[in-house]
Amino acid sequence: AQRVTQPEKLLSVFKGAPVELKCNYSYSGSPELFWYVQYSRQRLQLLLRHISRESIKGFTADLNKGETSFHLKKPFAQEEDSAMYYCALSGGSNYKLTFGKGTLLTVNP
Amino acid sequence: KAGVTQTPRYLIKTRGQQVTLSCSPISGHRSVSWYQQTPGQGLQFLFEYFSETQRNKGNFPGRFSGRQFSNSRSEMNVSTLELGDSALYLCASSSGTEHNEQFFGPGTRLTVL
Repeated sequence: AQRVTQPEKLLSVFKGAPVELKCNYSYSGSPELFWYVQYSRQRLQLLLRHISRESIKGFTADLNKGETSFHLKKPFAQEEDSAMYYCALSGGSNYKLTFGKGTLLTVNP
Repeated sequence: KAGVTQTPRYLIKTRGQQVTLSCSPISGHRSVSWYQQTPGQGLQFLFEYFSETQRNKGNFPGRFSGRQFSNSRSEMNVSTLELGDSALYLCASSSGTEHNEQFFGPGTRLTVL
């Protein structure tokens, strides 16, 4: 079974502070992990995926198979980063995404 | 490229009725997935269609069904609506290859009274 856990429903930081959104997963095979973001009044969109190893909008995420984690990090948060962040897992060839419950990030001025 | 479109955007129904939601994927995309989003359960996978065939199904009752047409457009149907079916229904399209990025539509907000 696939499961994604985001332990924090809410996260509030000040502008310029580092931010880390936690994501842990459960999957017996080799998963593909994603972070999706939903800004206010916008549709859900892909932020980054572990396989591409990119940094998008200053965010990075490293897959730690030993700890089954895929935490999202940014060294200096900006107010425009305020949004709902979802960690998601795709396992094998089942063509579906299993989402965590999401973390609402608020970056205060 | 035009994005994923969903119609209608808002819908109000009463218990016992049925409803059909529509999704038009990005041009060239052959896979369409449906998700239900609620405050309590978050985003839950309903089913995925590829080239008119259902490839995967989530853990929802048989009242939830879907189909895909030859032009890749998809519909989902919910019969005998219950109050708990009130949710945002999201459609996502992709090329359909393994682990491919899914592009989401704006959703249809269904309210069951």
